[in-house]
Amino acid sequence: NAGVTQTPKFRILKIGQSMTLQCTQDMNHNYMYWYRQDPGMGLKLIYYSVGAGITDKGEVPNGYNVSRSTTEDFPLRLELAAPSQTSVYFCASILRQGRSDTQYFGPGTRLTVL
Amino acid sequence: GDSVTQMEGPVTLSEEAFLTINCTYTATGYPSLFWYVQYPGEGLQLLLKATKADDKGSNKGFEATYRKETTSFHLEKGSVQVSDSAVYFCALRASGGSYIPTFGRGTSLIVHP
Repeated sequence: NAGVTQTPKFRILKIGQSMTLQCTQDMNHNYMYWYRQDPGMGLKLIYYSVGAGITDKGEVPNGYNVSRSTTEDFPLRLELAAPSQTSVYFCASILRQGRSDTQYFGPGTRLTVL
Repeated sequence: GDSVTQMEGPVTLSEEAFLTINCTYTATGYPSLFWYVQYPGEGLQLLLKATKADDKGSNKGFEATYRKETTSFHLEKGSVQVSDSAVYFCALRASGGSYIPTFGRGTSLIVHP
């Protein structure tokens, strides 16, 4: 299994541009998440999904959109990029099964908005 | 709501020193507790976990015990190595309901030779 993969690894955007961050997992996990991590800070939840066709907002959803058309893919869309969206973005997934579920993280996408 | 509080870093130690990173939590019921580690330039990965009171999670020489009475899950290692330099995150997942983990802010550990 490749686990959770994210593309691209790095990206520089100009203010007002749009882009999609890709996330794919091959573990048949039902729950998927998008987080952002600002320098020296913890993780903030942007959006999450409990299964294909179902998404919900997290702590900081403004300026982002998501979709979940398949179990494997959970892309994050940035519309009208702003400097405040400069961050490292992590995708994660969980198989909801029992109490000792573990969250698996992708390697991250480092985004800079200039 | 649920919350996790970690000691602020950075924690700076010499190689072979003893490590403790404090973590306390607020949650109703009986949450599952986790420690994740993030090496430079990488995503988070699970280090250890515990699902009920008095459980001890352990991995790679790290240990943490689920203390219900003090709502704590402190991370310890008897002898740190330079390769342990990373950011450590304490997290909880509440029992029942949503599968939205709550993370602490992370504690940076720097180990000098």
